[in-house]
Amino acid sequence: GEDVEQSLFLSVREGDSSVINCTYTDSSSTYLYWYKQEPGAGLQLLTYIFSNMDMKQDQRLTVLLNKKDKHLSLRIADTQTGDSAIYFCAERENTGFQKLVFGTGTRLLVSP
Amino acid sequence: DAGVTQSPTHLIKTRGQQVTLRCSPISGHKSVSWYQQVLGQGPQFIFQYYEKEERGRGNFPDRFSARQFPNYSSELNVNALLLGDSALYLCASSLRTDTQYFGPGTRLTVL
Repeated sequence: GEDVEQSLFLSVREGDSSVINCTYTDSSSTYLYWYKQEPGAGLQLLTYIFSNMDMKQDQRLTVLLNKKDKHLSLRIADTQTGDSAIYFCAERENTGFQKLVFGTGTRLLVSP
Repeated sequence: DAGVTQSPTHLIKTRGQQVTLRCSPISGHKSVSWYQQVLGQGPQFIFQYYEKEERGRGNFPDRFSARQFPNYSSELNVNALLLGDSALYLCASSLRTDTQYFGPGTRLTVL
């Protein structure tokens, strides 16, 4: 089955680090993604990690992957008010075509 | 370079009507995927097209159909609209069938 789970809400203060967590179910997923969605907008690709990696860093973003527990996290360092948005994790299923399965999204609120 | 473009931005229809949504992929990208995002949820996969052929279909009724044109743009058609079809429809393009880049979406409201 396909079921990507995320916590619904996270609130942090500007300058703190944010950690958004995700669990996925398809152990054969090759890529896992993080997308950002601002109000009324489409999805912006933030970063992705290949399943044979356990960490990827990209400027303020750090992705950690624990394949044994099927757990993915996104850490945002020095969180800014402009980071306030909904963050989706997605797994890419190996179904013969590249279907993304998304979580329900985590709403990040950054207060000054 | 322009990103993925979608038209129209917003659309209001009544139950039973038909709607066509349009998507232009990033230049050079040959694959287009469609997703439906109901308010408060994550996007759900509808279709993927690559090189003008349907490569995958999600769990949506036959009222939903799509096609891809020789220039790789795509249309999503929904017939016999239901209230539950109200959603943000997202188009994503990829070079082949790899990383997907999303457009701004079309907001469909069914009254």
